Amino acid sequence: DVKVTQSSRYLVKRTGEKVFLECVQDMDHENMFWYRQDPGLGLRLIYFSYDVKMKEKGDIPEGYSVSREKKERFSLILESASTNQTSMYLCASSLGPPDSGNTIYFGEGSWLTVV
Amino acid sequence: GQNIDQPTEMTATEGAIVQINCTYQTSGFNGLFWYQQHAGEAPTFLSYNVLDGLEEKGRFSSFLSRSKGYSYLLLKELQMKDSASYLCAVRDGNYQLIWGAGTKLIIKP
Repeated sequence: DVKVTQSSRYLVKRTGEKVFLECVQDMDHENMFWYRQDPGLGLRLIYFSYDVKMKEKGDIPEGYSVSREKKERFSLILESASTNQTSMYLCASSLGPPDSGNTIYFGEGSWLTVV
Repeated sequence: GQNIDQPTEMTATEGAIVQINCTYQTSGFNGLFWYQQHAGEAPTFLSYNVLDGLEEKGRFSSFLSRSKGYSYLLLKELQMKDSASYLCAVRDGNYQLIWGAGTKLIIKP
């Protein structure tokens, strides 16, 4: 079974703090994604990566950055957390290129509260 | 703009059948996914449709009509554990996934 593991399930951070959300997948997937999920909205893509050291902006990259130094690990960074970044963050991975029906597998999610 | 529409919430009775609809307007189409998400958990894959017609997988079936920009997820013999949110997502012409807000399904005894 594919496993996507997010290091922190619940975090509370102060405004202005730097926040790291870590994600690891164990199935050698090329593609990794970071989404945020808010009530009443669909999943919104923050950043994605199709290869090591490669990153592409998604729909809402402002206020975020990412790092992919190893194939299995994709980190989301909030340089200076703000209250509007309070949300659930979902990491995901998939095998193969985007022009295929490859299933996306999600981690359990990280609930971030910024106070 | 691109848009995915699903009902916000539906209620059904244990043992019954429920149909969750999804309509989409996207720039191009390269497949439609349905995911199930229990409260506080990760979304899990249910089905993938890229051609018109019905795909059956046990108690769950998914239908697609590309000409109408329409899909539905059909759940039969409902069980209490089917209480969850059901997410519809469309892969657009650039192979980017566009997600609906999800339909919260409540199952009553």
